[in-house]
Amino acid sequence: QKEVEQNSGPLSVPEGAIASLNCTYSDRVSQSFFWYRQYSGKSPELIMSIYSNGDKEDGRFTAQLNKASQYVSLLIRDSQPSDSATYLCAVNPDSSYKLIFGSGTRLLVRP
Amino acid sequence: EPEVTQTPSHQVTQMGQEVILRCVPISNHLYFYWYRQILGQKVEFLVSFYNNEISEKSEIFDDQFSVERPDGSNFTLKIRSTKLEDSAMYFCASKTDINTEAFFGQGTRLTVV
Repeated sequence: QKEVEQNSGPLSVPEGAIASLNCTYSDRVSQSFFWYRQYSGKSPELIMSIYSNGDKEDGRFTAQLNKASQYVSLLIRDSQPSDSATYLCAVNPDSSYKLIFGSGTRLLVRP
Repeated sequence: EPEVTQTPSHQVTQMGQEVILRCVPISNHLYFYWYRQILGQKVEFLVSFYNNEISEKSEIFDDQFSVERPDGSNFTLKIRSTKLEDSAMYFCASKTDINTEAFFGQGTRLTVV
């Protein structure tokens, strides 16, 4: 059974701080990794994709991938109250069409 | 900006009735998906559709479910005889290639009473 694991949180950070969200996955040969943001009652919204080991930066967001450790993370710099949401890690297993989602980490940014 | 659109946004149906959820994927996308999310739970894969046929389906996607792309733009999910446990948010998604980013529609909240 291919799994994606996330700490459910909530992760509470003050406004302006760095929020660090983590995810581990079980399928060693997975190739594609994604972070989605989901506000309550809304659909997943794509934030970042990452396909190779290392860091990928986009504005205030940095995704980090370590395939040897089967670990993906998302850093949010200068966190804003509007970043308060559930962050979903999703993995596209090798030779599969689907995404497998983690249960999400709830982030709360305190003003 | 192109987006995936879903209709209706909310559907209430009686147990045992058939429902059809509709989606218009992004126009140049080739891979189409249905996912569902029961309240408070994970987003779960139901089915993927490529080249006018189902490419992969989950255990959830049993004989009560079917998908169709009737006219080259719409993509539908039919539930033949709804059960109470089918109550969930249903999301349509599409992407250009197998390993690329999937974009989700705003969802249809299905309530079975």
